[in-house]
Amino acid sequence: GNSVTQMEGPVTLSEEAFLTINCTYTATGYPSLFWYVQYPGEGLQLLLKATKADDKGSNKGFEATYRKETTSFHLEKGSVQVSDSAVYFCAHREVTSGSRLTFGEGTQLTVNP
Amino acid sequence: NAGVTQTPKFQVLKTGQSMTLQCAQDMNHNSMYWYRQDPGMGLRLIYYSASEGTTDKGEVPNGYNVSRLNKREFSLRLESAAPSQTSVYFCAGRGGKSADTQYFGPGTRLTVL
Repeated sequence: GNSVTQMEGPVTLSEEAFLTINCTYTATGYPSLFWYVQYPGEGLQLLLKATKADDKGSNKGFEATYRKETTSFHLEKGSVQVSDSAVYFCAHREVTSGSRLTFGEGTQLTVNP
Repeated sequence: NAGVTQTPKFQVLKTGQSMTLQCAQDMNHNSMYWYRQDPGMGLRLIYYSASEGTTDKGEVPNGYNVSRLNKREFSLRLESAAPSQTSVYFCAGRGGKSADTQYFGPGTRLTVL
């Protein structure tokens, strides 16, 4: 079946460090891919998305590139801040599944000053 | 716009009690969703409504019922709560201006004793 696998957390970094959170997926078609972020005590917010192969989504210094050949959508940021501390979720949506999203398990990121 | 709103924010129930979680949106979403979030498991889809008047089971529907009261409102009912339903519940909407993106409410934290 369709699934999303994320790098296990938690991840702890110092401020200004480079961040990578890995995400790979399985799908029967060509899904849209998403990263959502959840700050403490809040709901999920869309961080970025990509809808076709080689697309790069970007927002707030975060980037992820849709790699069809490796079925991956890794999240990166060149210099993290304390305010980036949150849980990050990778997700995909297949056209064949209608509007349903499949989420990864989430990766807790803590950035220390 | 209030976006996607949920009530209540917190709830404690005893085993066997019933309750309804309310969700409303003012973003003209056609589709609405109910998820539960449990540690280490990401978000799992309980039920969804692709359009007003329709509802479908998701990944974990047992023990729940839903009602799409109108385009704006989508409620989740627990008829006889069990401790296994202790979780954080999120409602989301999609469609209107956001064709490809789900927008989430702030969540309801439910504890069943």
